[in-house]
Amino acid sequence: DTGVSQDPRHKITKRGQNVTFRCDPISEHNRLYWYRQTLGQGPEFLTYFQNEAQLEKSRLLSDRFSAERPKGSFSTLEIQRTEQGDSAMYLCASSVRTGEKGYTFGSGTRLTVV
Amino acid sequence: DAKTTQPPSMDCAEGRAANLPCNHSTISGNEYVYWYRQIHSQGPQYIIHGLKNNETNEMASLIITEDRKSSTLILPHATLRDTAVYYCIALAQGGSEKLVFGKGTKLTVNP
Repeated sequence: DTGVSQDPRHKITKRGQNVTFRCDPISEHNRLYWYRQTLGQGPEFLTYFQNEAQLEKSRLLSDRFSAERPKGSFSTLEIQRTEQGDSAMYLCASSVRTGEKGYTFGSGTRLTVV
Repeated sequence: DAKTTQPPSMDCAEGRAANLPCNHSTISGNEYVYWYRQIHSQGPQYIIHGLKNNETNEMASLIITEDRKSSTLILPHATLRDTAVYYCIALAQGGSEKLVFGKGTKLTVNP
């Protein structure tokens, strides 16, 4: 069990550019979640996958955001035409069904839009 | 999912027990109480969860009142490494099981 890996750890981008983050969940976990966290706040839910199917999306996930989980393994989160308000920590988590042991979170990708 | 209420901050002396309260007066019968913590610059870490009975694991104990309207997370011998933000979350199993985080309690363990 190598945990949940996220790449990159830090990303600085200019406003208007596109960015893509990757999450590698724990291999036997069929559920994968993306969260966003801004300074001083708790993480906010963005979207949820069960295997390769994206089953729920938050209203926070605007048209500029898209997430995929091809083949039900790793996942990517893309932000198009980044804005300064997108600056945040993007967290990925995975779990088995029923959340018996809770989620396992990655260390996150810190995005700074300048 | 039920809303939870936690104090914004608490202090504890190293080596002493840290008791973190959480109110969840509108919790439903099928909602579990989950606790996570987040150490600075890391992702949240699962601690413990329970439904009705008190629970204990290697990290902490969870005491849930009989009416389930509140609970207490107990760290029996707090260390400096326990300094973190602690989140109490009510969650119904089944469905997406997405966690809804509040602002949590910032616990500072002092030497």
